Amino acid sequence: DAGVTQSPTHLIKTRGQQVTLRCSPKSGHDTVSWYQQALGQGPQFIFQYYEEEERQRGNFPDRFSGHQFPNYSSELNVNALLLGDSALYLCASSSRLGNTEAFFGQGTRLTVV
Amino acid sequence: DAKTTQPNSMESNEEEPVHLPCNHSTISGTDYIHWYRQLPSQGPEYVIHGLTSNVNNRMASLAIAEDRKSSTLILHRATLRDAAVYYCILRGWGSSNTGKLIFGQGTTLQVKP
Repeated sequence: DAGVTQSPTHLIKTRGQQVTLRCSPKSGHDTVSWYQQALGQGPQFIFQYYEEEERQRGNFPDRFSGHQFPNYSSELNVNALLLGDSALYLCASSSRLGNTEAFFGQGTRLTVV
Repeated sequence: DAKTTQPNSMESNEEEPVHLPCNHSTISGTDYIHWYRQLPSQGPEYVIHGLTSNVNNRMASLAIAEDRKSSTLILHRATLRDAAVYYCILRGWGSSNTGKLIFGQGTTLQVKP
């Protein structure tokens, strides 16, 4: 079992550009959540997807959007990048069946210059 | 979202027990207490969770106060590999639950050889 895989691992973008981050959940999991972690801070919840729809959203602007595919994998898109979007973006997968743990990927380190 | 309070940092000696406290005075009846830890340069990792009774697993023990307003994560014999940021999180369960995790600042545990 490969666990949660995220790609790419590192990314450098310019202000104003758009970026797409990808996540493959752990086998057997149907729910994907995305988190943003600024340096020295705890992860902040962005949104969660299951059954290919956004189910819950944190306090993030509409520039942050996502998608979930039929195979449960997910994408996080960020438009009009700002310097403040520089962070570690984490994907977590879980199952809606029972109060089970979430498994996190290693994250994508995004640097906006 | 229910809030937790943890000390910013703690120190321990290798091979000694560590007790990491967490206060959650506004916990509701359907909130589970989850603990995650984040090692340097990695995504968060599930440690343990519980509702009312004390819980044990291969990684740690979780002691929950009778009124559920506080809990303690116990590492029985700290190793250098246990140096990490430990997060205490309340995760609701029920029809409104989508499993999102609300991270605070966590406790940074240093383990001295």
